[in-house]
Amino acid sequence: GEDVEQSLFLSVREGDSSVINCTYTDSSSTYLYWYKQEPGAGLQLLTYIFSNMDMKQDQRLTVLLNKKDKHLSLRIADTQTGDSAIYFCAASGYSTLTFGKGTMLLVSP
Amino acid sequence: NAGVTQTPKFQVLKTGQSMTLQCAQDMNHEYMSWYRQDPGMGLRLIHYSVGAGITDQGEVPNGYNVSRSTTEDFPLRLLSAAPSQTSVYFCASSAGQGMDEQFFGPGTRLTVL
Repeated sequence: GEDVEQSLFLSVREGDSSVINCTYTDSSSTYLYWYKQEPGAGLQLLTYIFSNMDMKQDQRLTVLLNKKDKHLSLRIADTQTGDSAIYFCAASGYSTLTFGKGTMLLVSP
Repeated sequence: NAGVTQTPKFQVLKTGQSMTLQCAQDMNHEYMSWYRQDPGMGLRLIHYSVGAGITDQGEVPNGYNVSRSTTEDFPLRLLSAAPSQTSVYFCASSAGQGMDEQFFGPGTRLTVL
């Protein structure tokens, strides 16, 4: 089945850019997603990218997709302390999503 | 719209007890799923449903049962709770597959002693 891998932890200073990386194994995944989870809460969809796209920009968020390497990244520009959370990469399957283990982003003032 | 609701928010069980985690959505979504979240393990799919009367197993289905008698409700039953089922459980729903956003409930934190 699909396997999704992420780095587990990233620490940045406020105002810097953050880049969270993800790799996946199933090249037939049509959609790739980034979810955000704040402490004690459920997951919230941040953005997604269709597999025939290379890049998608949405305000401070930029998603890059390298289909050849099955590599996905999420860049957050001008990172704020409110961006501190766990970020999950997910790949679409036939009926469900496969999630990575999550990357904890810590933003220090 | 309340979105996806889950009850209870917290639950403590003794080993061997049974219970049902409730999940409901008011968005008329066909797809519903149950995940468990454990430290360092991300979210793992337990069971899912693509419509009323249709359910299927996910990655970690053992020890759990589900049914989907209505579009709105998707309860998760623990038949005989074990300490290994201590986790945070999330229910999610979406209108369809693919690009349709999965909406998550707030979670149920379950401890099995």
